Amino acid sequence: AQSVTQPDIHITVSEGASLELRCNYSYGATPYLFWYVQSPGQGLQLLLKYFSGDTLVQGIKGFEAEFKRSQSSFNLRKPSVHWSDAAEYFCAVFDQTGANNLFFGTGTRLTVIP
Amino acid sequence: EPEVTQTPSHQVTQMGQEVILRCVPISNHLYFYWYRQILGQKVEFLVSFYNNEISEKSEIFDDQFSVERPDGSNFTLKIRSTKLEDSAMYFCASSAQIMNTEAFFGQGTRLTVV
Repeated sequence: AQSVTQPDIHITVSEGASLELRCNYSYGATPYLFWYVQSPGQGLQLLLKYFSGDTLVQGIKGFEAEFKRSQSSFNLRKPSVHWSDAAEYFCAVFDQTGANNLFFGTGTRLTVIP
Repeated sequence: EPEVTQTPSHQVTQMGQEVILRCVPISNHLYFYWYRQILGQKVEFLVSFYNNEISEKSEIFDDQFSVERPDGSNFTLKIRSTKLEDSAMYFCASSAQIMNTEAFFGQGTRLTVV
């Protein structure tokens, strides 16, 4: 069965520091993977996605993620965090085998301190 | 930029009452979805809708739930007789094609059942 694990419930980083949010998935075939961000009072916004090809994908707002099949991971990174990056981040996998929907992780809340 | 809009942003209802959550998907999109997020838990798929019928639904989407596209623009989720455990944030999403393209999410409706 498909599943997504985000092991970190809450992460705090200083502004300007680097960031890595972890995501592990369980899926039988090559996954379609996504990262979404939810700012307070806002909907879910797509940061980036991986379908195939280059395992390092670039997204909006300076984020990138790397697909590592051997580790079943799709970690999100940013070299220098801005205060406006404080939000909830969700990793998701799309089920291609027929369910036709997204499976989300539980999310990681990012706090940015000055 | 086109966006998915949901109304209301917050609804409080008494247990046993019917509620209708409304969504206006992006106008040229063909696939519509409802997800929900119980506080502190992961975002969960409820139902997908295409060509005026349900294409997939989860175990959560029981007989108390229904969806409708009453006109060319709105997409609604009805809960017939609300229970306390229906309290959650409900997200509507739409995509131009099947989910392997970007899905756009609304800002959510927070439903509180008292």
